[in-house]
Amino acid sequence: QQQVKQSPQSLIVQKGGISIINCAYENTAFDYFPWYQQFPGKGPALLIAIRPDVSEKKEGRFTISFNKSAKQFSLHIMDSQPGDSATYFCAAFEAGGTSYGKLTFGQGTILTVHP
Amino acid sequence: EPEVTQTPSHQVTQMGQEVILRCVPISNHLYFYWYRQILGQKVEFLVSFYNNEISEKSEIFDDQFSVERPDGSNFTLKIRSTKLEDSAMYFCASRRRVRTGPVNTEAFFGQGTRLTVV
Repeated sequence: QQQVKQSPQSLIVQKGGISIINCAYENTAFDYFPWYQQFPGKGPALLIAIRPDVSEKKEGRFTISFNKSAKQFSLHIMDSQPGDSATYFCAAFEAGGTSYGKLTFGQGTILTVHP
Repeated sequence: EPEVTQTPSHQVTQMGQEVILRCVPISNHLYFYWYRQILGQKVEFLVSFYNNEISEKSEIFDDQFSVERPDGSNFTLKIRSTKLEDSAMYFCASRRRVRTGPVNTEAFFGQGTRLTVV
């Protein structure tokens, strides 16, 4: 019930290509969906986030698409660059109710962008 | 830019020994968390701490674990008797609020402490 499932585990993209990472959740109480980017030896850093009352959010080359009925959301990285090579985690949490902001993470996707 | 700082960056300890991982959250933050990441796996929630008490904990956070905010700045995770399977990267995170009206607030993560139990 609390899981967030993420795919693929790894992704290789050529420079300039589109990277797409998918996540699915079951807990309908989740109401905030951030994506984190993690470089080796570093902590996760917030990349972009979405609430379920919108279907899409774009920030620069990064776009989240959200399908509430399917309980799925995805990250699209347009014009992928070698500097985007990192591990990407989707996450979810219940911002309302008695939640204290615990994040539930997906399994992570290792993105490699070849020059 | 304010950041969450963790010390040490790497700790090697013998099985059965006690370790204390230290974190200095961002100064005006009120919610504090510990997460862990076993090598190659996902980030897992351990515990949240608010108003000087544990607000939520996971199944991983058993009696061997404890957290403390001994003063106004530090937030520590203690593992009383380490096991080999405790080897992981431990991340501290903090958040100003969970929500401000309709706006969710970001959780900031530290760089992590790599714990190796031998």
